[in-house]
Amino acid sequence: GQNIDQPTEMTATEGAIVQINCTYQTSGFNGLFWYQQHAGEAPTFLSYNVLDGLEEKGRFSSFLSRSKGYSYLLLKELQMKDSASYLCAVVDSNYQLIWGAGTKLIIKP
Amino acid sequence: IAGITQAPTSQILAAGRRMTLRCTQDMRHNAMYWYRQDLGLGLRLIHYSNTAGTTGKGEVPDGYSVSRANTDDFPLTLASAVPSQTSVYFCASSVTFEGKTGELFFGEGSRLTVL
Repeated sequence: GQNIDQPTEMTATEGAIVQINCTYQTSGFNGLFWYQQHAGEAPTFLSYNVLDGLEEKGRFSSFLSRSKGYSYLLLKELQMKDSASYLCAVVDSNYQLIWGAGTKLIIKP
Repeated sequence: IAGITQAPTSQILAAGRRMTLRCTQDMRHNAMYWYRQDLGLGLRLIHYSNTAGTTGKGEVPDGYSVSRANTDDFPLTLASAVPSQTSVYFCASSVTFEGKTGELFFGEGSRLTVL
């Protein structure tokens, strides 16, 4: 079967750095998305990786290792508004998105 | 503001009733999707459409139907609602090309409670 694993919840301090991991086992791989979802709101796009390596976009970076079936989202200089759920989704061999259950990130002052 | 609109935003429904959730996008995206989101689970695909006139079944299609008469609209119908269909429903759209999926844009969600 297809499987996406993310930690259920993480806590970090304002101003710090946090890394949210995502491991996957899917039938094929055609890219990996990270989305942010604030409570009661719609998911919004953060990043897309299809090749190995690090993609940096402001305070957010996303890393991919296809050989390890692994990705992480790195958030720097955490702000209170970063409190949200972070969703990992893999595009499988049929170009369908397989979603993880999401990681709830709690930021403390 | 361009984007994707869902209606209603919230609804309480008696079991056995028929319900249609509406979804409209004005971005001219070819692909549209319906997901349900339940606590502790990832987004689960109900139905999708890669282009107007075509639809496909996702991971959890039972009890739901869709239509795609034109590019902009993609309604989801529950023919006879059951309590297990209590969930938050998200409509999304994207551009797909040669099978490859671009970024998904989501509507604000429809919270449905079936009693």
